[in-house]
Amino acid sequence: TQLLEQSPQFLSIQEGENLTVYCNSSSVFSSLQWYRQEPGEGPVLLVTVVTGGEVKKLKRLTFQFGDARKDSSLHITAAQPGDTGLYLCAGELDNTGKLIFGQGTTLQVKP
Amino acid sequence: GAGVSQSPSNKVTEKGKDVELRCDPISGHTALYWYRQSLGQGLEFLIYFQGNSAPDKSGLPSDRFSAERTGGSVSTLTIQRTQQEDSAVYLCASSLGTSNTGELFFGEGSRLTVL
Repeated sequence: TQLLEQSPQFLSIQEGENLTVYCNSSSVFSSLQWYRQEPGEGPVLLVTVVTGGEVKKLKRLTFQFGDARKDSSLHITAAQPGDTGLYLCAGELDNTGKLIFGQGTTLQVKP
Repeated sequence: GAGVSQSPSNKVTEKGKDVELRCDPISGHTALYWYRQSLGQGLEFLIYFQGNSAPDKSGLPSDRFSAERTGGSVSTLTIQRTQQEDSAVYLCASSLGTSNTGELFFGEGSRLTVL
């Protein structure tokens, strides 16, 4: 059983399109992070959200933490080929520092 | 370098052999994590060390897997009697461990192939 469900698992779009990736759970998280991973490398942190309902923006990326702190979304506006990669959400359980990852969303942006 | 260092970067072994994977975290980071990743998939939690506390081993898939962290720094993940299903990339990460929003810094991983 996957604690964090990401959808979609694979997304192939044209440059300039918008997209949203979802991360859902029945568990409450004390914080949630989004990472991006490129082939042959380790994941790199994009953002951390802590407060229910929190919205953070990073250039063309918008991250939202659900009010109940059980879900999150990542929205990319006007996707670029450089956005191609594996996007991972990770939830922290019970303020322990232990991070559980979702199964990832592979994004391919075609020029 | 200042990042998380993992070795070996690639390991090919025969079924039934033991392997050791090493992780050298960022200096001063008290938290250390091991994850396993199959091709294009998410990260499967294996084990988590935080300071001097007992490690959280709840993700280790079987008793063939073990990990230790010596002196609060370098960690070794050992897989005994390897099986083909153990083939994956093993990722190590460290963090400051001082808050509940700490960023994890990952190494590039050790790719294990069991023939």
